[in-house]
Amino acid sequence: SQQGEEDPQALSIQEGENATMNCSYKTSINNLQWYRQNSGRGLVHLILIRSNEREKHSGRLRVTLDTSKKSSSLLITASRAADTASYFCATLYSSASKIIFGSGTRLSIRP
Amino acid sequence: DAGVIQSPRHEVTEMGQEVTLRCKPISGHDYLFWYRQTMMRGLELLIYFNNNVPIDDSGMPEDRFSAKMPNASFSTLKIQPSEPRDSAVYFCASSWVSGGRGETTEAFFGQGTRLTVV
Repeated sequence: SQQGEEDPQALSIQEGENATMNCSYKTSINNLQWYRQNSGRGLVHLILIRSNEREKHSGRLRVTLDTSKKSSSLLITASRAADTASYFCATLYSSASKIIFGSGTRLSIRP
Repeated sequence: DAGVIQSPRHEVTEMGQEVTLRCKPISGHDYLFWYRQTMMRGLELLIYFNNNVPIDDSGMPEDRFSAKMPNASFSTLKIQPSEPRDSAVYFCASSWVSGGRGETTEAFFGQGTRLTVV
């Protein structure tokens, strides 16, 4: 990808379990964002964390950011079937205003 | 606001033909991005505009690709001539600058145009 990588590439868990996805990036950033994409649809913004923040919560979502390791994680708690989608991290460069996406994690929730 | 609107939703064209994809960003947004998504290469940033001015087109794959933003409410991505390897889903997204920090915030995406070149 142009900026970073996500792992795992695919994740399958049982409904009710927690899902954790990781993202690594390459250069200094102003903020990092997570998006969800349902099959055949556009991306939808989930949460944004700024470079001076370490953790952020939104409903069942928890995002952490470690700028020293250039990495972030997205935790979805108590997963539901409707959470089945691809999840992407995106970074806003410090030196520009472009938003660059990672390779994505395909999450499948088994009923 | 109806969100970012892209047209057409699907386009099938023959190799060598000109293709024009259209985008209407959300009113009041300062930034407009064009992305291309394929299984092999993921989501690639092709070009982005700030206040209708192209800022970075380093992601445009070849001279066959061009993009314009004649005004704040309209942008086009043109491929001429098209080739089968251009087949992909093309997304337009818009964003705005957070006044306090002067940095772009979340991007709002259109539903995409699925382009098939045969």
